[in-house]
Amino acid sequence: GAVVSQHPSWVICKSGTSVKIECRSLDFQATTMFWYRQFPKQSLMLMATSNEGSKATYEQGVEKDKFLINHASLTLSTLTVTSAHPEDSSFYICSAKELYNEQFFGPGTRLTVL
Amino acid sequence: AQSVTQLGSHVSVSEGALVLLRCNYSSSVPPYLFWYVQYPNQGLQLLLKYTSAATLVKGINGFEAEFKKSETSFHLTKPSAHMSDAAEYFCAVSDVPGNQFYFGTGTSLTVIP
Repeated sequence: GAVVSQHPSWVICKSGTSVKIECRSLDFQATTMFWYRQFPKQSLMLMATSNEGSKATYEQGVEKDKFLINHASLTLSTLTVTSAHPEDSSFYICSAKELYNEQFFGPGTRLTVL
Repeated sequence: AQSVTQLGSHVSVSEGALVLLRCNYSSSVPPYLFWYVQYPNQGLQLLLKYTSAATLVKGINGFEAEFKKSETSFHLTKPSAHMSDAAEYFCAVSDVPGNQFYFGTGTSLTVIP
């Protein structure tokens, strides 16, 4: 089956710094990637949808200047949390799909902001 | 608009007992429905999916779900619970498989030895 990887799997950073999370489709071309956020014991909330080569579409309430998403190639999307604060600590999960095929989820990245 | 409701945020069953996790959906178009399992600090693993074919869908690890349009339900079942089934389970709906997912709030399954 299709494989989606995320790097890093966990990261700890100081408040005010920026953190970049990578999402890669390993064996298919991901025309669309989704970024989700999951707080402890809660469901996944869609943050944004990115199509290769175009700007990401952010869900209501998600600050696009804080959560920068780049989908520069068909196998890579990055999420950069800028000026991270403790409230940004969360589990970030990406998913990827090829054209009209189903989504495949990455293993997630645990972000802890001190 | 689409949404799913998972009744019961926590379900406990004895090892060997029937597992029943409930999911009801709302969709203005024929839905595609999914069940995922999540173990602590891990991503989502697809258990099974309904994509307008057979209404009884069999998935991995002995799970199955039945799509009932009249009840707008897609409940997940397993005849006999194993300790390894203890995890968080999410139901999700989409208008087409590759489009945005709408997740339920999740059900935490505990298996009692």
